[in-house]
Amino acid sequence: DGGITQSPKYLFRKEGQNVTLSCEQNLNHDAMYWYRQDPGQGLRLIYYSQIVNDFQKGDIAEGYSVSREKKESFPLTVTSAQKNPTAFYLCASSITSGRARVEQFFGPGTRLTVL
Amino acid sequence: GESVGLHLPTLSVQEGDNSIINCAYSNSASDYFIWYKQESGKGPQFIIDIRSNMDKRQGQRVTVLLNKTVKHLSLQIAATQPGDSAVYFCAESGANSKLTFGKGITLSVRP
Repeated sequence: DGGITQSPKYLFRKEGQNVTLSCEQNLNHDAMYWYRQDPGQGLRLIYYSQIVNDFQKGDIAEGYSVSREKKESFPLTVTSAQKNPTAFYLCASSITSGRARVEQFFGPGTRLTVL
Repeated sequence: GESVGLHLPTLSVQEGDNSIINCAYSNSASDYFIWYKQESGKGPQFIIDIRSNMDKRQGQRVTVLLNKTVKHLSLQIAATQPGDSAVYFCAESGANSKLTFGKGITLSVRP
């Protein structure tokens, strides 16, 4: 059953702690993305990676870090430097096809709450 | 600046009626557009896409219309069903291949 998995579904963190959100895909997609969604808002891009061992900052990268050591995995770390981390985090993936635009497939999301 | 926005925050329709969800975009260089559906607590689900060399594309019960002259995108859902109740997002992409999302509109289907 192909798709994107994110874990955990719910995550609670104490202020000042780093936390890592998992994202795995078995779609053989080269590109992966992390978005943040706040209540009543659209999705904002945090980081994206178009190939293994390479990634770029999105629109709101401050306070976040990522790694892309494997094609299937793109973990996101929310650091203590992120001042307002409580949000719904979505991971996505897509094929890369040069200049052609393609759809992104989304995982089920992780809801992070900072206590 | 570049932005994608929706005209109305909520839309309520009667079951069986057709729904039309509108979206305005401001980046004239955008050449790819997508509609996503998001149910509560879940990730967005792809509905339909359209490229800038087209002005209409049809799927199963859905049609997307693109008017590049006024930078307007719409999603039409035929015979709206209770299962269509969700938040709908339009997104656009340009030369950098990144998607820019609108804020979303809630579709509520009355039985």
